[in-house]
Amino acid sequence: GAVVSQHPSRVICKSGTSVKIECRSLDFQATTMFWYRQFPKQSLMLMATSNEGSKATYEQGVEKDKFLINHASLTLSTLTVTSAHPEDSSFYICSAIDSYNEQFFGPGTRLTVL
Amino acid sequence: EDQVTQSPEALRLQEGESSSLNCSYTVSGLRGLFWYRQDPGKGPEFLFTLYSAGEEKEKERLKATLTKKESFLHITAPKPEDSATYLCAVQGTKAAGNKLTFGGGTRVLVKP
Repeated sequence: GAVVSQHPSRVICKSGTSVKIECRSLDFQATTMFWYRQFPKQSLMLMATSNEGSKATYEQGVEKDKFLINHASLTLSTLTVTSAHPEDSSFYICSAIDSYNEQFFGPGTRLTVL
Repeated sequence: EDQVTQSPEALRLQEGESSSLNCSYTVSGLRGLFWYRQDPGKGPEFLFTLYSAGEEKEKERLKATLTKKESFLHITAPKPEDSATYLCAVQGTKAAGNKLTFGGGTRVLVKP
């Protein structure tokens, strides 16, 4: 299957700082990528849809100014958590759709805000 | 609005004890139903895509089936390494941007 990578896998930051998470499709081009967050023992919650060359589409209740998404190329999308606070601590996962409309997920990024 | 409900929430099995996981869904036109496996602290791993009622797919000890209202993931003679959370998701024909709607998952623990 297709491979999606995320970097970093784990990050710890101080409250008020910004954190950038990268999502790359390694062996295919993805015009659409998704960003999810997942709390312990819960399912995935879609935050936004990232479209190459255009603005991201955010789900209801997700602050677009806090979670900045940039889909700079067909293989890279970034999520920046701005002015992070402890309540932003979570597991962030990206995914990408291949040409067969199958969605593959990255390994996730564990964000801890102190 | 697309909805997915998975049951049971958790399942404890003895090694070799076969069982089935249920995924019930409502969707305005099904584009695809997806099964994923997720290990703790990792992203979901793609297992299967099913597109139409009656379709079945197999991979090692796993077999997924689909009807118009639900999908089953059958685990035959499970081993401890099959322990994971299994996620079901649907993509409806009206889903904007190919979004998936996920169920809550079934946590499976296989004891040796």
